[in-house]
Amino acid sequence: GENVEQHPSTLSVQEGDSAVIKCTYSDSASNYFPWYKQELGKRPQLIIDIRSNVGEKKDQRIAVTLNKTAKHFSLHITETQPEDSAVYFCAAGTIAFTSGTYKYIFGTGTRLKVLA
Amino acid sequence: DGGITQSPKYLFRKEGQNVTLSCEQNLNHDAMYWYRQDPGQGLRLIYYSQIVNDFQKGDIAEGYSVSREKKESFPLTVTSAQKNPTAFYLCASRLAGAYEQYFGPGTRLTVT
Repeated sequence: GENVEQHPSTLSVQEGDSAVIKCTYSDSASNYFPWYKQELGKRPQLIIDIRSNVGEKKDQRIAVTLNKTAKHFSLHITETQPEDSAVYFCAAGTIAFTSGTYKYIFGTGTRLKVLA
Repeated sequence: DGGITQSPKYLFRKEGQNVTLSCEQNLNHDAMYWYRQDPGQGLRLIYYSQIVNDFQKGDIAEGYSVSREKKESFPLTVTSAQKNPTAFYLCASRLAGAYEQYFGPGTRLTVT
């Protein structure tokens, strides 16, 4: 079946450095790629997303890039701060409104630690 | 926070008992979802519902049941047939025609 691989599983960076998390998906029909931040014991929060017709999207210190040919996408966090420490999940969504298809496959998560 | 609520936050049950987890949303979202989260694994889909009175099995539906009698509510029952019920359960919802899912705060279920 379809899957999403996410790497690394843990990532430690010094405050102020950049962090990059990568995901690879298998379903070529996937067209929606959200990233979620989850703090311990709390709900996943959508932090940024990208659709398949766009190659890159930025929102202040975070950015997502998509390579449809290679079927991978990445989350980039610049100027990391201690409050960025959390688990980050990627997902690959296959969304087709006309057929009523809404499928989301999640990665296994990356635990990011930002060291002060 | 707000919009999607789950209760209770922590739930303890004895093996062999059924237990129902609550999920309510006041966002007027049409679709609702239940996921299970285990350490080191991605979210896995249990059940989903696109409209009232209709729901579909996800990837790991065995041992679970749901109902969707109201647009706002999508309760999940964990039955005694679920072999490993201890987990963190997340409910999500989505507006019709939108891509984004929004999650509730979760319920941590412990079965001993």
